[in-house]
Amino acid sequence: GAVVSQHPSRVICKSGTSVKIECRSLDFQATTMFWYRQFPKQSLMLMATSNEGSKATYEQGVEKDKFLINHASLTLSTLTVTSAHPEDSSFYICSAEVRSEETQYFGPGTRLLVL
Amino acid sequence: GENVEQHPSTLSVQEGDSAVIKCTYSDSASNYFPWYKQELGKGPQLIIDIRSNVGEKKDQRIAVTLNKTAKHFSLHITETQPEDSAVYFCAGSQTGANNLFFGTGTRLTVIP
Repeated sequence: GAVVSQHPSRVICKSGTSVKIECRSLDFQATTMFWYRQFPKQSLMLMATSNEGSKATYEQGVEKDKFLINHASLTLSTLTVTSAHPEDSSFYICSAEVRSEETQYFGPGTRLLVL
Repeated sequence: GENVEQHPSTLSVQEGDSAVIKCTYSDSASNYFPWYKQELGKGPQLIIDIRSNVGEKKDQRIAVTLNKTAKHFSLHITETQPEDSAVYFCAGSQTGANNLFFGTGTRLTVIP
């Protein structure tokens, strides 16, 4: 299957700082990438859909100014959590769609802890 | 929108036994149903998927069945092994619609 990487795998930051998470498709080009958030023992919650070269589409209730998404190339999307607060602590997972398969492959996730 | 329900939430089986996880969906337009396995602290891994033009798909010890009329699909794992222990998520979507609607997950524990 297709390989998606995320960096960093875990990050600890102070409240008020911004954190950038990278998502890369390693062996394919992804015109569409997705960002999810997952709380402990819960399912994945879609935050936004990111299309290369255009603005991301955010799900209802997700603050676009809080969670900045950039998809500048066919292999890279970034999620920046701005002015992070403890309630932003979570497991953030990206996925990339293999268009020919109409299938999403997920990255390994990034655990964010805001102190 | 689509609503995917998944049962059971937890499942324990003896090593070597079979495990079955069931999902139902609400939108009859959904036609793609993947299953993901998520191990602790990792991202979901696609293990098998099925599209609405077939009723069953098998890959070694894993199989998925789809009943379009009843709008439910199931994951079957035979000869379970301890390494099958994980959380399994079903999902549904429409071709071309991008969005995956996930079930709530099933924590499978295989007891050696």
